[in-house]
Amino acid sequence: GQNIDQPTEMTATEGAIVQINCTYQTSGFNGLFWYQQHAGEAPTFLSYNVLDGLEEKGRFSSFLSRSKGYSYLLLKELQMKDSASYLCAVRDSTGGFKTIFGAGTRLFVKA
Amino acid sequence: GAGVSQTPSNKVTEKGKYVELRCDPISGHTALYWYRQSLGQGPEFLIYFQGTGAADDSGLPNDRFFAVRPEGSVSTLKIQRTERGDSAVYLCASSLPPPTGIHQPQHFGDGTRLSIL
Repeated sequence: GQNIDQPTEMTATEGAIVQINCTYQTSGFNGLFWYQQHAGEAPTFLSYNVLDGLEEKGRFSSFLSRSKGYSYLLLKELQMKDSASYLCAVRDSTGGFKTIFGAGTRLFVKA
Repeated sequence: GAGVSQTPSNKVTEKGKYVELRCDPISGHTALYWYRQSLGQGPEFLIYFQGTGAADDSGLPNDRFFAVRPEGSVSTLKIQRTERGDSAVYLCASSLPPPTGIHQPQHFGDGTRLSIL
């Protein structure tokens, strides 16, 4: 079967660092994406990993270990506007472009 | 520039009725996806088009759901004999075609909020 697990909710303080974990079991693997989704809005792209290691993009970094089926999204210097859901998504190579999403992690940033 | 456009933004209808949801992708994006998202959940894959053809429709829940993309651009998701359980936000996304698009993110529309009474 195909399964993506993320924590349901996390809370962190403005200015701090938070790490959101994602584990996956999919029939194929052709890349892992992180998206941000504010309430009532469309998901927007944050990062992409296809090889093992860390990808850094400003305040956001994403890590991938394919052998462990594990990824994390690291958010630094948290701002109130970072309060949103963070979706981990895996592209299934057997289906070409089929993408499986996790349920998302709701992040609350407090002052 | 123009993003993915979905219409209507909201649709309220009675159980048993037929609905059509429209998606206009970003120009040049031949890959198009439909998802369904319920409250507190991630997007659930329904169907993926490459050009005019449905490359993967394994996520369609049953034969009441059908999608078309006759000219390889605009797509319509059709739901027959709607049920209350069909209530959700229906998201459309598009991306660049393969092989380039395999590493590209999907660009989402704002969705259609469907409510079945």
